[in-house]
Amino acid sequence: EVQLLESAGGLVQPGGSLRLSCVASGLTFSNEAMNWVRQAPGQGLEWVAMISGGGTSTFYADSVKGRFIISRDNSKNTLYLEMSSLRVEDTAIYYCAKREYQLGFDPWGPGTLVTVST
Amino acid sequence: SELKQPPSVSVSPGQTARITCSGDVLPTQYAYWYRQRPGQAPVILIYKDFERPSGIPERFSASTSGTTVTLTITEVQAEDEADYYCQSADNSGNFVFGSGTKITVL
Repeated sequence: EVQLLESAGGLVQPGGSLRLSCVASGLTFSNEAMNWVRQAPGQGLEWVAMISGGGTSTFYADSVKGRFIISRDNSKNTLYLEMSSLRVEDTAIYYCAKREYQLGFDPWGPGTLVTVST
Repeated sequence: SELKQPPSVSVSPGQTARITCSGDVLPTQYAYWYRQRPGQAPVILIYKDFERPSGIPERFSASTSGTTVTLTITEVQAEDEADYYCQSADNSGNFVFGSGTKITVL
């Protein structure tokens, strides 16, 4: 069974930085494209970023492009999201999710809350 | 690109619920459906327009017609009360989610 578990989020001031991680088990991690999806409080889902299995290709939503960096360490089965220049509107639960070609986002981690506030 | 869903749908137990998702990309991009129960992460219900992953009951089905895709839940149960999201991709290949529909079981 594939399991994903995000690291603890936290409270950060506007303009600050934070790195999230997501540890995967039950899969050949280096074969799988991985994603971050977020959900602002009481709002819908927003795709944030994707990285290919080998880590050579990355894709970002326009809302985070230039501020967030997705990366991975396949030797540690770990996905990362480096967030900088954080804004109040980045406050959300951040989920990591696996995505196989044409099979959708499955599974998802339980999510971690990031709060950007003074 | 935008995917539009009705904010809410109410249905009585044992009846059929239908949720629509409309978007210009849907004739050319696959649609996916997810269920999110309160306080939980989303779970995939449908992939590639109408395929059902193993473990998802046959009560969940989907169809497409032009720019609209529809998720149908038959024999609705109390446990189906949740938020439901459609998802596709825009013409740049970026992933997009619908606005979400809350199903209330009366």
